[in-house]
Amino acid sequence: AQSVTQLDSQVPVFEEAPVELRCNYSSSVSVYLFWYVQYPNQGLQLLLKYLSGSTLVKSINGFEAEFNKSQTSFHLRKPSVHISDTAEYFCAVPSTHYGGSQGNLIFGKGTKLSVKP
Amino acid sequence: GAVVSQHPSRVICKSGTSVKIECRSLDFQATTMFWYRQFPKQSLMLMATSNEGSKATYEQGVEKDKFLINHASLTLSTLTVTSAHPEDSSFYICSARRGQVNQPQHFGDGTRLSIL
Repeated sequence: AQSVTQLDSQVPVFEEAPVELRCNYSSSVSVYLFWYVQYPNQGLQLLLKYLSGSTLVKSINGFEAEFNKSQTSFHLRKPSVHISDTAEYFCAVPSTHYGGSQGNLIFGKGTKLSVKP
Repeated sequence: GAVVSQHPSRVICKSGTSVKIECRSLDFQATTMFWYRQFPKQSLMLMATSNEGSKATYEQGVEKDKFLINHASLTLSTLTVTSAHPEDSSFYICSARRGQVNQPQHFGDGTRLSIL
């Protein structure tokens, strides 16, 4: 069965500092990986995704994640964070339960990023 | 971009009341919709998967008669919490996906349900 591990539940950083949010997955099948961001009292927004091709994927707001098959990781990085990046970030992988036909997501437990001035 | 609207955003009601939550995909046809539940400081837990025109598939431990799901069209799915009790208080989030399983899900803004 698949699983997603986000080792850090909370990551406090100062504004303009770099940040890395870690995500490791386990899956025995082809891997699609997603990062979602959740702002307080809101639903989730897709931040970026890896489906195939280049292992480095980037979002429009400066985040990037690299798919590393050998390390089974998909860490999220940003070289310089802003106050507005304060949110909870979830790594996710599609489930293969039900033979993968439904494609529901398995989420990590989330990492709360707190950016301080 | 794909937009999913979830309504209402917040519900406060008495124990024993039934509550209906709507999830609409506004600018695309959603072949599959998902309903999640999120407890405080925890991740999302899938409750059920809903395909248009067919019965929802519930995850283990989720009561079908308690959480009624209807997916009557390609743009609308509803979750009805029947005879809600305080332990049903939670944050419920829907998502919609168009196309194949490798496509991302697009989430609504969630519904905060508080049962008194």
